[in-house]
Amino acid sequence: SAVISQKPSRDICQRGTSLTIQCQVDSQVTMMFWYRQQPGQSLTLIATANQGSEATYESGFVIDKFPISRPNLTFSTLTVSNMSPEDSSIYLCSVGGLAPRGSYEQYFGPGTRLTVT
Amino acid sequence: AQSVAQPEDQVNVAEGNPLTVKCTYSVSGNPYLFWYVQYPNRGLQFLLKYITGDNLVKGSYGFEAEFNKSQTSFHLKKPSALVSDSALYFCAVRPPSGGYNKLIFGAGTRLAVHP
Repeated sequence: SAVISQKPSRDICQRGTSLTIQCQVDSQVTMMFWYRQQPGQSLTLIATANQGSEATYESGFVIDKFPISRPNLTFSTLTVSNMSPEDSSIYLCSVGGLAPRGSYEQYFGPGTRLTVT
Repeated sequence: AQSVAQPEDQVNVAEGNPLTVKCTYSVSGNPYLFWYVQYPNRGLQFLLKYITGDNLVKGSYGFEAEFNKSQTSFHLKKPSALVSDSALYFCAVRPPSGGYNKLIFGAGTRLAVHP
């Protein structure tokens, strides 16, 4: 597995503002992902963060709203832009493709709890 | 459509009794299956997976799960529940053609173990 940290752990933001969430891994990883967990609901994949290129977004998520950076193999950021109360969720970073080859599970960070007022 | 179902919102078990958390899936082909646990105010922790081979797989904290292809199920089990097992459990499936990014999660089942 890997040790994954996220900053901030929680935040309360005003509508119309933006928040950038950081994800740091203690080793180089092939795959990094961002998920959203809305209150009382399951996890939904937002996008795959690609190192050195644009992120791959899932249906219903767009780059203008959720810009993602991945400058190297251990770090990624997710920005939630122009926030509204509907963006109040837990945002989780995950990593995959860890050794040994064929380990298909993903490992998750502790999450960032965002409340938009 | 590909999906994962966890039919029980909550499961209540007395400490020391066996527990089962149910999961069924609807995916074409041979999927990879996973169980995760989420404790309050924490991220998801990986418990176990089925990729191929024996239908009964063992994972962390004494949990195991049984893959049943004919019933398209992957139920999570533990012979003797602990109060500390109380948490939110998610079943997830990776469709065979989806790549690493295609983890589809169930809605989650809250397990409450009573002393």
